[in-house]
Amino acid sequence: EVQLVESGGGLVQPGGSLRLSCTASESTISSSSMNWVRQAPGKGPEWVSYIDRGSAAIYYADSVKGRFTISRDNARNSLFLQMNSLRVEDTAVYHCTSGIPAAPRLSDSWGQGTPVTVSS
Amino acid sequence: DIQMTQSPSSLSASVGDRVTITCRASQGINNYLAWYQQKPGKVPKVLIYAASTLQSGVPFRFSGSKSGTEFTLTISSLQPEDVATYYCQKYNSAPFTFGPGTKVEIK
Repeated sequence: EVQLVESGGGLVQPGGSLRLSCTASESTISSSSMNWVRQAPGKGPEWVSYIDRGSAAIYYADSVKGRFTISRDNARNSLFLQMNSLRVEDTAVYHCTSGIPAAPRLSDSWGQGTPVTVSS
Repeated sequence: DIQMTQSPSSLSASVGDRVTITCRASQGINNYLAWYQQKPGKVPKVLIYAASTLQSGVPFRFSGSKSGTEFTLTISSLQPEDVATYYCQKYNSAPFTFGPGTKVEIK
């Protein structure tokens, strides 16, 4: 089973920045399209961003467009999310997810997530 | 953007009951619709993708169907382990929006 591990979360003031990372136990990230999905306490999942294997297709939710940047390093089997101009409403647990061959845009495998708290 | 709605927001049913959850897209999304199950304290799990394809390992009591822009998740015989919140997600084009969820409880 794929093991995805996120890191980089923490407490940050409004307007601050964080860079999240995601690594995998196997070459999952380098061979898969990937998503970032977040879930605020007591809320449902919210899709944040998607990047395909070759970084040719990159998409963002309107709520983060212009503030967040997704990227990947296939040689290091890693996925990143640069988050700038953070807002209180960005507070959530952030998960990296990977799809399945038949539906690469889905979130089939999930990491346990890294918590991000935006507060003054 | 295409909006996703779900109904009901919650339901309570007896063990063995047939349960139906509906997800509606505000515009056509072809068959690019997935259903997830999320149990308390766990990450969501894909049950169905492409509107009606059962993900590997998912019990056969779960099924999905489509009629126009309306999608249905059916649990043919509700089991105690099915207590969870169920979400739909569109993935035809970005944004890959999740529905608001349906909480299923045992009566």
